[in-house]
Amino acid sequence: ETGVTQSPTHLIKTRGQQVTLRCSSQSGHNTVSWYQQALGQGPQFIFQYYREEENGRGNFPPRFSGLQFPNYSSELNVNALELDDSALYLCASSLGAGGTDTQYFGPGTRLTVL
Amino acid sequence: AQSVTQLDSQVPVFEEAPVELRCNYSSSVSVYLFWYVQYPNQGLQLLLKYLSGSTLVESINGFEAEFNKSQTSFHLRKPSVHISDTAEYFCAVSDRDQGGKLIFGQGTELSVKP
Repeated sequence: ETGVTQSPTHLIKTRGQQVTLRCSSQSGHNTVSWYQQALGQGPQFIFQYYREEENGRGNFPPRFSGLQFPNYSSELNVNALELDDSALYLCASSLGAGGTDTQYFGPGTRLTVL
Repeated sequence: AQSVTQLDSQVPVFEEAPVELRCNYSSSVSVYLFWYVQYPNQGLQLLLKYLSGSTLVESINGFEAEFNKSQTSFHLRKPSVHISDTAEYFCAVSDRDQGGKLIFGQGTELSVKP
């Protein structure tokens, strides 16, 4: 059974650019959640996708957007990058979108904005 | 809004000593509690979880945590730590109203010294 995978592992961008991060969910999981983890902080919830629909959003501006595909893989897009967007971006998949559904995390994408 | 407080940012301990990592959450009607571990440059791995039932939950590698509703706590303990337990530990909570949104604490860095 393949776990959650993310690509790329590292990325360097400059301020104002746009970036797309990708996540493949664990087999059988229909829900993907995205988190931002700044250095020395706990992960912060960005949004969740359940069966291709957004199913909850954290306190992030609209320039953070996402997609979920029919195979339940997902993308996180960030427009107009700012220096504060530098962080580890974590994707997690789960069997469902409820509070009791355990989220399994990928290794993350380290984004550096210069 | 739900929040999680991890009372210690760093916990240094000698090998084979006992350890407790403290976690408190804000009150809610129905909460689900998780401990995740993060090794350097990796994603989060689920250590253990409380969903319902017995208030004492255990992991396969000797950690345990006790759900205490009256004190709104979910402290993590291990009677004897190993060097390999050195990592960052995150307490997280979800609840019935928030669905699959996980709220994380700031993390506790456990450093096990020989």
